[in-house]
Amino acid sequence: EAGVTQFPSHSVIEKGQTVTLRCDPISGHDNLYWYRRVMGKEIKFLLHFVKESKQDESGMPNNRFLAERTGGTYSTLKVQPAELEDSGVYFCASSQDPQGLAEAFFGQGTRLTVV
Amino acid sequence: GDSVTQMEGPVTLSEEAFLTINCTYTATGYPSLFWYVQYPGEGLQLLLKATKADDKGSNKGFEATYRKETTSFHLEKGSVQVSDSAVYFCALKSGGSNYKLTFGKGTLLTVNP
Repeated sequence: EAGVTQFPSHSVIEKGQTVTLRCDPISGHDNLYWYRRVMGKEIKFLLHFVKESKQDESGMPNNRFLAERTGGTYSTLKVQPAELEDSGVYFCASSQDPQGLAEAFFGQGTRLTVV
Repeated sequence: GDSVTQMEGPVTLSEEAFLTINCTYTATGYPSLFWYVQYPGEGLQLLLKATKADDKGSNKGFEATYRKETTSFHLEKGSVQVSDSAVYFCALKSGGSNYKLTFGKGTLLTVNP
């Protein structure tokens, strides 16, 4: 069974440009999470989808970030326009258990560098 | 709010040395505690977990005990291998119906042969 897959693995963009990150969760997992690790800091929660609905988006830093999960399958995270402080590693995770008791499986992350 | 503090790295050890990575937490209620590991080029993997006080999580020779009195969840391994070289993250999950995790900053471990 395929794990959580993220695209691209690396992205280097200029300040002011737009970048879209993609996450393909494990098939059948209704719960999908985005996290971010800024260099040298903690991995921080961004948001949580249950199917196509945003369950909790309390971690989204500002309105330059837009996450979608059309059809409840894969998810995209768009940053527009990108700023230097958006650089970091963006992780996606998915889990099956709606009660949050089962393990969440993480992807390998997308390393975003804004120059 | 919830927070996790883990020892600053990097940590460099020789093969077969004893490893301890300290982790303390602040949380409301009774959180579940986790150690995640990220090997080079890979995603985060759950290494072990403990869901209540005095529980001991263990996996691949690693252990950590949930100490409520000291709010700690220190990671230990008796004899590290070169293949244990990775970044280790301590994390907690407060009660609730989702898997929203609060992570520490991570500790880079390098094991030399």
